[in-house]
Amino acid sequence: GAVVSQHPSWVICKSGTSVKIECRSLDFQATTMFWYRQFPKQSLMLMATSNEGSKATYEQGVEKDKFLINHASLTLSTLTVTSAHPEDSSFYICSAPRTSIPDTQYFGPGTRLTVL
Amino acid sequence: AQSVTQLDSQVPVFEEAPVELRCNYSSSVSVYLFWYVQYPNQGLQLLLKYLSGSTLVKSINGFEAEFNKSQTSFHLRKPSVHISDTAEYFCAVNYGGSQGNLIFGKGTKLSVKP
Repeated sequence: GAVVSQHPSWVICKSGTSVKIECRSLDFQATTMFWYRQFPKQSLMLMATSNEGSKATYEQGVEKDKFLINHASLTLSTLTVTSAHPEDSSFYICSAPRTSIPDTQYFGPGTRLTVL
Repeated sequence: AQSVTQLDSQVPVFEEAPVELRCNYSSSVSVYLFWYVQYPNQGLQLLLKYLSGSTLVKSINGFEAEFNKSQTSFHLRKPSVHISDTAEYFCAVNYGGSQGNLIFGKGTKLSVKP
């Protein structure tokens, strides 16, 4: 069964609004979670590393103020796309490593964001 | 720049035929290599990985991949595919950094036909 969930699985919003995406580890604690973005027919690109209890680490070229990440608990990380625009439309995927199983990340099913 | 190339975006095959999904990466001193599979409407799942040791690694469902340092490749193979293998397969490389620094290929959609 799924060990990492994402909500919502898809969302359509108007330009200028903000959208929050949740990523939960279901049966393990994750001090670190990762957020990826995938454009059609493109690779997954790491956007940021979410750290429980501290600030997220963003990859080069990712706007911190645009993509707000909050890792409020050991099982929940949220990604908020602020003032969304059509170019933010994409597939957002989170993952969490399980320390008991080295070098393995568990991926959520992804969230399809469409900004009109 | 570090990169991962999956040359084939789609691979259609008939059931029970062999298949090879190709993956090449840009050269680096140390790499960790992964194949992930994504079934329709599901998240990515780890299929197999190479960290060190034997260059041939196998999954529980009959897939195998061989790390070839000289050719900087990590091709995925299965001698006889099933309908249930229909999925998208992603090759990913960690260039020795933190576990989060996975660089993914664009994916190969494997379609197995009866």
